[in-house]
Amino acid sequence: EIVMTQSPATLSVSPGERATLSCRASQSVSTKLAWYQQKPGQAPRLLIYGASTRATGIPARFSGSGSGTEFTLSISSLQSEDFAVYYCQQYNNWPPVTFGPGTKVEIK
Amino acid sequence: QVQLVESGGGVVQPGSSLRLSCAASGFSFSTYGMQWVRQAPGKGLEWVAVISFDGNTQFYADSVKGRFTISRDNSKSTLFLQANSLRAEDTAVYYCAKETIEKISGWFYDCWGQGTLVTVSS
Repeated sequence: EIVMTQSPATLSVSPGERATLSCRASQSVSTKLAWYQQKPGQAPRLLIYGASTRATGIPARFSGSGSGTEFTLSISSLQSEDFAVYYCQQYNNWPPVTFGPGTKVEIK
Repeated sequence: QVQLVESGGGVVQPGSSLRLSCAASGFSFSTYGMQWVRQAPGKGLEWVAVISFDGNTQFYADSVKGRFTISRDNSKSTLFLQANSLRAEDTAVYYCAKETIEKISGWFYDCWGQGTLVTVSS
């Protein structure tokens, strides 16, 4: 099973600043990596797939990069609606599909 | 629009069974793989099970293998999860989720239901 880790666990950022979230896989997942955003009481929302492709309707301030075992989700200028928990998920080697533990982006 | 609506959750005793349903609309249900993903209170996401678009292939997380069964009725655009021998650690919000790409399973999910809460407690 591929284990996904995310850092930091919590990221405190001021609105308008850039946020950089990291995701690491225990072995290579190529670029088969997705990112989701989840707000309290809501279902996750797909942001990025294929490590760097934005899903339909996702603003351009969200960008993903990386391959192999190291990945990054960047939010260029945080808006109030971006404060949430972000999960990475690998789909290169399954079952099982595995998610990271999440990074909470909170208001500084 | 694409919509998934789960139902069937509730409070049950350990050892009990539940059948969760997920009613799909707004897309061609029979051409997309579907999954169940759960989230324990205050915790992260855990993949539970996947079923292929045609229902012929299923995979399960080790934590539920032998106890849970995923199935689908394409004629009714509905996904199911039969959960037997429930344990306290199965307490979670259960989400159904749709694959993004047709006829692919176990990839990434572009539509999720609102979730249904299963609480296993004596």
